[in-house]
Amino acid sequence: DQQVKQNSPSLSVQEGRISILNCDYTNSMFDYFLWYKKYPAEGPTFLISISSIKDKNEDGRFTVFLNKSAKHLSLHIVPSQPGDSAVYFCAASGVSNTGKLIFGQGTTLQVKP
Amino acid sequence: NAGVMQNPRHLVRRRGQEARLRCSPMKGHSHVYWYRQLPEEGLKFMVYLQKENIIDESGMPKERFSAEFPKEGPSILRIQQVVRGDSAAYFCASSSQRARETYNEQFFGPGTRLTVL
Repeated sequence: DQQVKQNSPSLSVQEGRISILNCDYTNSMFDYFLWYKKYPAEGPTFLISISSIKDKNEDGRFTVFLNKSAKHLSLHIVPSQPGDSAVYFCAASGVSNTGKLIFGQGTTLQVKP
Repeated sequence: NAGVMQNPRHLVRRRGQEARLRCSPMKGHSHVYWYRQLPEEGLKFMVYLQKENIIDESGMPKERFSAEFPKEGPSILRIQQVVRGDSAAYFCASSSQRARETYNEQFFGPGTRLTVL
């Protein structure tokens, strides 16, 4: 039962262009969403988050959009840089639970110079 | 301020042996989460502990797996009688205690890669 889904295993974009990573969820009890970035042989690093009371959160080149009615969120990276090449995980949590994170399968982003 | 520490980084065990994975949370953090990442998959929650207490173990396999977070020392994830299917990356994350209206961000360690021969 995959409650958080990232349907695109990989994405390739040109340096300077926009990267859009997508994530869908099924559990309407989720009220906090996060994006993590992961390099090989390292642990995930927190990137950006959004509460369900908002529909957009921006931090520098990174913006997360939340569409609650569609149970969909996306991460926009503008402009994309080669150093952004990594695996990106979407994760969800509910305040009503213990704070555990439910992760998607990940999307591998490659930014070409 | 040191981040989350995990050791060993790599662990090789033969089938039937025991594996012990250690996690030292960030300074001041009293909440520890363990996750497992199987090849080509996302991270799956296993267990959530506070000092001396298991709060949520809903993701832990019923047999062979146990976890503890003693008053002193690191959190330990213990796998008895390992099988090849236990081969995975095991990540620990820690968080501080905050008010419930704000999410308590989890900081991840570098992981322990367990290989069962």
